This record gives sequence, C-alpha cells and structure tokens, in this order.
Amino acid sequence: GENVEQHPSTLSVQEGDSAVIKCTYSDSASNYFPWYKQELGKGPQLIIDIRSNVGEKKDQRIAVTLNKTAKHFSLHITETQPEDSAVYFCAARFGNEKLTFGTGTRLTIIP
Amino acid sequence: KAGVTQTPRYLIKTRGQQVTLSCSPISGHRSVSWYQQTPGQGLQFLFEYFSETQRNKGNFPGRFSGRQFSNSRSEMNVSTLELGDSALYLCASSLAGQKETQYFGPGTRLLVL
Repeated sequence: GENVEQHPSTLSVQEGDSAVIKCTYSDSASNYFPWYKQELGKGPQLIIDIRSNVGEKKDQRIAVTLNKTAKHFSLHITETQPEDSAVYFCAARFGNEKLTFGTGTRLTIIP
Repeated sequence: KAGVTQTPRYLIKTRGQQVTLSCSPISGHRSVSWYQQTPGQGLQFLFEYFSETQRNKGNFPGRFSGRQFSNSRSEMNVSTLELGDSALYLCASSLAGQKETQYFGPGTRLLVL
C-alpha cells in the first residue's frame, strides 16, 4: 500500500519568513496530493491540493510543488503570520483508494 | 452550508464498554469516511461508506464497525473498548467518495480508562 513520509516533524520560523514542508510517497501511481491544516481542537481543513498532471499550484501565500519523478511534493508558505501556526498534514491517493496521510508537521510562527 | 458535525465531542468510557459515535455529513454529500487520530500513529483510515454500503476498509480489528443511513448520516461503533482506543475520531464527508475533496468534522475525543 501507499506510504507517505513527512518532514520535518516540527518547524519554527520567524514571522514574515517562509516555511517549507516536504513529503515523499511510495506508490508511483498516486495522483492526488492534498494538504490539510489542523488547528487545536478542530478537524483537518483542506488548504490546497495538486493532481499529478500539474507541477505547481499557488493560492495567495500558499503553494504546492510536485516532482513525480522523485515522488515528492512540498508545501510552501510565504510571509508567514501567527495564524499559520498549526499542524500540517500531507496526503496521497491513487484513484478511488483511501487517502494515506503523513505524520504531520507542527509549525510555530515566532512573532 | 453547514459543515460536518460530530457528536458527542468528548466521551469517557472504561475498558470493556462499547461506544457509538455519530457523524452528519455536509448536505448533499453521500460519502462518509472515518479516521482515527493518535499522537503515535497519526491519521489512520477506518472505513468509508457510500450510499449505505461500506466501500473501503482500513486495517482495524472487527471491534470497529460502522453503518450509514439513508440520509447519509453515519455511525461508528467500537465494542470491547481497550486503552489503546483512546483517540480523536474524525469523520470526513465528500460528494461521492475518496476521489472527491474530503471535508472533516471537529472530531470526537474518546478517552478509555
């Protein structure tokens, strides 16, 4: 089955700096890669996703890049703000199979 | 449009008891997936229901079961609770299944003593 590794497990950045979280996946057939943000006491919320026919996708301060050859994808957050502090999860899926999640990255923005 | 709702939000049980958790999906969504979230194992897929039928199942023992009703609401049941079942149980709904974007509820936090 699919296996997703996520790094780093914790990340602290100064407010205004950029944050990058990386994930690798094992199943080369995976074709859908969402990123979720989970705040304390809440369920994960989808923030951005990318499909395997696209190399990069941006939404304001958030971007995701996908390298199918290397089987890795990354989340980039620019101009970080205190409200970006949360746990971020990557995930991968092939077709109609279940989503497989990474182990999460706790991002802390230092004011 | 109202989001995914889960009840109860918090639950305390003792070993050996059984528990039923409820999930109401977003209106119009027909697929409900359940996940267990723990600090050690992260988000683990339990099962997915679509149109009252279980369509996918994760690697959990038979003590974990679920069902879906005709209005798409779903319940999951855990029998003979063990300490290791303490976790946040998340429900996610989507229009038609795992291929679609999933929207998560706030979860039910279960503590087994």
